[in-house]
Amino acid sequence: GAVVSQHPSRVICKSGTSVKIECRSLDFQATTMFWYRQFPKKSLMLMATSNEGSKATYEQGVEKDKFLINHASLTLSTLTVTSAHPEDSSFYICSARTSGQGNTGELFFGEGSRLTVL
Amino acid sequence: EDQVTQSPEALRLQEGESSSLNCSYTVSGLRGLFWYRQDPGKGPEFLFTLYSAGEEKEKERLKATLTKKESFLHITAPKPEDSATYLCAVQYSSASKIIFGSGTRLSIRP
Repeated sequence: GAVVSQHPSRVICKSGTSVKIECRSLDFQATTMFWYRQFPKKSLMLMATSNEGSKATYEQGVEKDKFLINHASLTLSTLTVTSAHPEDSSFYICSARTSGQGNTGELFFGEGSRLTVL
Repeated sequence: EDQVTQSPEALRLQEGESSSLNCSYTVSGLRGLFWYRQDPGKGPEFLFTLYSAGEEKEKERLKATLTKKESFLHITAPKPEDSATYLCAVQYSSASKIIFGSGTRLSIRP
């Protein structure tokens, strides 16, 4: 299957600092990438849809000023958690979709980034 | 409201004991249904995509089926390495986003 690389896999930061997480599609181009957040033993919660060359679409309740998303190229999207607080500690996962008929390409996930805010 | 519901929440089986996981959905205009496997601390690993009722797909000990209201992931003669959380996700209508179920935690005892 297609490969999506996410970096860093783990990050620990102090409260008030910003953290950037990168998501790359290694062997295909992705006009759309998705960012999810996952709490322990819970399912994936969609945070935002990242569109190459345009603004991200955020889900209801997700602060766009706190979670900055940039989709600078067809293979790279970044999520920046600004002014991080302990409640932002979580497992963040990105995904990218391969092309498919009628926008139903398969979704492949990165390995996730574990953020711990002290 | 579009929803994806998985059952059971957790399932413990003996090695070799076959069973099925369920994913029911109430979305309008299904575009695709996806099954993923997730190991602790890892991102989900793609297993199958199903597009229309009656479709079936197989991979090793896993077989996914789809009806108009639900999908089943059948696991035949499971092994301990099949232990993981299995996630179902649905893409609906003309929207690009995908809704995930809460997952089934499968545990296979040797």
